Amino acid sequence: QKEVEQNSGPLSVPEGAIASLNCTYSDRVSQSFFWYRQYSGKSPELIMSIYSNGDKEDGRFTAQLNKASQYVSLLIRDSQPSDSATYLCAVTISNFGNEKLTFGTGTRLTIIP
Amino acid sequence: EPEVTQTPSHQVTQMGQEVILRCVPISNHLYFYWYRQILGQKVEFLVSFYNNEISEKSEIFDDQFSVERPDGSNFTLKIRSTKLEDSAMYFCASSDAGGKNIQYFGAGTRLSVL
Repeated sequence: QKEVEQNSGPLSVPEGAIASLNCTYSDRVSQSFFWYRQYSGKSPELIMSIYSNGDKEDGRFTAQLNKASQYVSLLIRDSQPSDSATYLCAVTISNFGNEKLTFGTGTRLTIIP
Repeated sequence: EPEVTQTPSHQVTQMGQEVILRCVPISNHLYFYWYRQILGQKVEFLVSFYNNEISEKSEIFDDQFSVERPDGSNFTLKIRSTKLEDSAMYFCASSDAGGKNIQYFGAGTRLSVL
């Protein structure tokens, strides 16, 4: 059974601080990694994608991937109350289209004003 | 901005009834998916679809489920005889042929089976 593991939280972070979200995956051949944000009762919204080892930055978000450790993380800088949501880590086996996403259970993040 | 649209937003049905959930993927996308999320649980893959064929299906996607692309825009999920445990949010997603497999999700249909 291929698994994606996340700490369910809740993770509470003061406004303006850095939020750090972590994810591990069991299938060593996984190639594509995604972070989705899901507000309560809403659908997953893509935040970041990452495909190779290292860091990828987009605005206040940085995704980090370490394939040797089977670990992917998301950093949110200058956290805002609007960042309060559940963050879902998802992986696929290949970089090609038509590949299913395998999701973790998500980490609930609360930004404290 | 192009988006995946799903209808209805909420469907209430009696156990044993058939339901059809509808999706309009992003227009230039070629790959289509259905996922479901039972309340409080993780998002689970149901089925992927490409070139008018199922590419992959999960063990959840049994004989009670079917998918169809009846025309050039719609993508439907049918549940033939609903069970109480089918109550969930059902999300449609689509991705393009450009690699990277970035999937965009619709707003979802909340299915309530009574």
